[in-house]
Amino acid sequence: SQTIHQWPATLVQPVGSPLSLECTVEGTSNPNLYWYRQAAGRGLQLLFYSVGIGQISSEVPQNLSASRPQDRQFILSSKKLLLSDSGFYLCAWSVLLKGGRGYTFGSGTRLTVV
Amino acid sequence: TQLLEQSPQFLSIQEGENLTVYCNSSSVFSSLQWYRQEPGEGPVLLVTVVTGGEVKKLKRLTFQFGDARKDSSLHITAAQPGDTGLYLCAGALGGGSNYKLTFGKGTLLTVNP
Repeated sequence: SQTIHQWPATLVQPVGSPLSLECTVEGTSNPNLYWYRQAAGRGLQLLFYSVGIGQISSEVPQNLSASRPQDRQFILSSKKLLLSDSGFYLCAWSVLLKGGRGYTFGSGTRLTVV
Repeated sequence: TQLLEQSPQFLSIQEGENLTVYCNSSSVFSSLQWYRQEPGEGPVLLVTVVTGGEVKKLKRLTFQFGDARKDSSLHITAAQPGDTGLYLCAGALGGGSNYKLTFGKGTLLTVNP
């Protein structure tokens, strides 16, 4: 079966510290992978997406970066966190389902920058 | 500017009532999806609609895609406390390898017993 793992579940980091969030998928190959952030306004903002190893597209200029070192691994990073980086970070991959494509999301990482 | 507008933002109803939430845009989407999200969890896909005018039913939930593929609605019949959650619509603006979704801000539904 196809699964997506995201960790850690919660993280509290001081301003100026680095960040590394990891996402891995199982049961598929060459997936499209995505990082979203969900802030207090509740909407999901697309941060990065990747269609293959080493291929990263950035949607929003910001303090974050992403990398895809392996086919089923997607990493979100920052060298120095800002208070505004706080939020709920979600990794997802798109799958071809009956009736169209859909996203399968990980369980998310709640990041609080203090 | 929010590409997808969802209304209402908040909805609190009693168990057994019916409700409709809306998702509107000025853009045409190749497909539109509805997700439900519970606190502290990732969104879970409920349905994908692809064809203008399409209607899909999932038990007590009815989803409709507008004829022009710019809007959608979700109707819940006889709501139950288990329906409580954040309902998100999302539109697909690309296809193939560039497939990505744009999300609305969601409708936070509370069904009181």
